[in-house]
Formats: sequence, structure tokens, C-alpha cells
Amino acid sequence: NAGVMQNPRHLVRRRGQEARLRCSPMKGHSHVYWYRQLPEEGLKFMVYLQKENIIDESGMPKERFSAEFPKEGPSILRIQQVVRGDSAAYFCASSPPTASSTDTQYFGPGTRLTVL
Amino acid sequence: AQSVTQPDIHITVSEGASLELRCNYSYGATPYLFWYVQSPGQGLQLLLKYFSGDTLVQGIKGFEAEFKRSQSSFNLRKPSVHWSDAAEYFCAVGVSRGFKTIFGAGTRLFVKA
Repeated sequence: NAGVMQNPRHLVRRRGQEARLRCSPMKGHSHVYWYRQLPEEGLKFMVYLQKENIIDESGMPKERFSAEFPKEGPSILRIQQVVRGDSAAYFCASSPPTASSTDTQYFGPGTRLTVL
Repeated sequence: AQSVTQPDIHITVSEGASLELRCNYSYGATPYLFWYVQSPGQGLQLLLKYFSGDTLVQGIKGFEAEFKRSQSSFNLRKPSVHWSDAAEYFCAVGVSRGFKTIFGAGTRLFVKA
């Protein structure tokens, strides 16, 4: 059973470009979470999605950031008009459809975004 | 507000020595607590978790953690550290039915020969 997949693993963008980060959850999982890790810091929750629904986006910046988890295909975290401060590692995690407070989130290897 | 504090930014221990990484949390209800390990350039791997029951939790790789409600702590321990344990360790608390996980800033462990 493959784990959580993220691609690309490394992404370089120039200021003003768009960044698209993809996350394929573990097989059978329908809950996806995105976290951002700035250098020398812990992970910060960004957004929690189920298929075709955003459940909690309280950690998402109000502008330029969006996330989706379509019925088919991976979850996408999109950052428009990137700035240097967006440089970070972005981690995706997933959990099974019967998600409850006792469920573990399984993390992907992350996408390291560098904005030049 | 919920928060997790890991007071030690980095710790150095000798191989074979015992290890304790500290974690304190702030959360009004019964917490769901986790310890994760992150090797350089890698994602997070779950070491152990506490939801209820026995306050001493056993995890993978010989780690254990003890939940102490009176101290709001969930310290991670290992009796004998191996060089391969060098990594960054994150304590986390699950809130809002666990859907949102709050992470501490991490403790980087260095192991010396």
C-alpha cells in the first residue's frame, strides 16, 4: 500500500509565478490536510479537505492561496503570484474516511518550494 | 488557545545514553497527543500517540512517552539512543476532533559517538 505521494518534491519559482503542489492520499483515504513548515519552525496547519469539500481553511492565508480536492485526482495546493516568503516545505497528510479524533494522519515527503 | 511547547531547540546525547525530550501543551479538553520524527529532507513519521487509557505509551523504535495531565506534559523517552535516532522530533496535539493538528517547533537531536 503506497503511502502519501507528493509531487514535485522540489519546486523553484520566480516571484510572481504560480506554484501548484499535488498530493495523492493513501489508498482508501478521503481526508487530506496541508501543512506548511517554514525554516527552523514546526508545521503549521493550513487546510483540511474531503472530496470536493473544504472543511477547515482557518490556516490558509486570505490571498493567493487556494486548495482543492476533486472527486477524481489528487489534491492541489495552488499559490498564485508567489513571493519569497512563500519559500517553505509544504506537507500533505491523509486519513481514512471514518476519520475521528483518534485517527492518525499519515504524512507525505513534502514539497520544498523555493522562490527566487 | 491551543499550543504546544518544546522547550529545547536542540539536544546532544552520547550514543547509548538515555534520552528525554520535553513537551508541554495547552488545551482545554482531553488532548490527543502525538510524537513525530522527521529525518533531514523527509516527511514526518509517527512514533506514538496517546488518546486515552494507560498514560505510558509505547511506540516504534524503542520510544515511549508518558502523559501527565497535572503537568500538561507528554515527554518522549528512550533508554538507549542509537546514532540513527539523530533527527528532528515534533510533539503535536490534535484539536477539534483531531482534524487540526498543532505542532511544536521541534527539538533537533544530535547523537555523538
